[in-house]
Amino acid sequence: AQSVSQHNHHVILSEAASLELGCNYSYGGTVNLFWYVQYPGQHLQLLLKYFSGDPLVKGIKGFEAEFIKSKFSFNLRKPSVQWSDTAEYFCAGGRYGGSQGNLIFGKGTKLSVKP
Amino acid sequence: KAGVTQTPRYLIKTRGQQVTLSCSPISGHRSVSWYQQTPGQGLQFLFEYFSETQRNKGNFPGRFSGRQFSNSRSEMNVSTLELGDSALYLCASSLESGWYFGPGTRLLVL
Repeated sequence: AQSVSQHNHHVILSEAASLELGCNYSYGGTVNLFWYVQYPGQHLQLLLKYFSGDPLVKGIKGFEAEFIKSKFSFNLRKPSVQWSDTAEYFCAGGRYGGSQGNLIFGKGTKLSVKP
Repeated sequence: KAGVTQTPRYLIKTRGQQVTLSCSPISGHRSVSWYQQTPGQGLQFLFEYFSETQRNKGNFPGRFSGRQFSNSRSEMNVSTLELGDSALYLCASSLESGWYFGPGTRLLVL
């Protein structure tokens, strides 16, 4: 069955620490991968997406993610987190293009950044 | 561009009732999807519409239905509400570059 897994349920960091959130997917064929962020009380926002090409994808707010096909991974990174990065982060995968098909979401990782 | 809008934002219903939720996609977006978000199950896909046709459906009972209008606006309906239907219902729209989500409708079933 197709699935997306996020291994960290809750991550606590101090400001300026580096961040890496893991995401693995388990399906073959065309792979479209996304990271979404949900700030407290706000709706899901698209951080970055990978469809094809350069496996290192840069998104908004200084986030980046690397697609490693051999490891079925799409980890999210940020070199230095801020208190305002406190949020829940969701990895999602889709089988088709970016405009059709359903997304399969991971369970989410809550990030708490201590000031 | 205005984002995806959903109405109402909050809703309280009782068991057995039915409810209709509305979604207006980003202008120009023709694909609309619906998701249910709960603390236990996370984000689960309900259905997807394109050009007024259901293109994909998730594993939800037939009590959950939806439709899309010619202007791409979409509605979802849940009949015979159960306590377990309490959730945040999210709508997303897409053109070619990924899915963009609305703020959701929070449904509480008592």
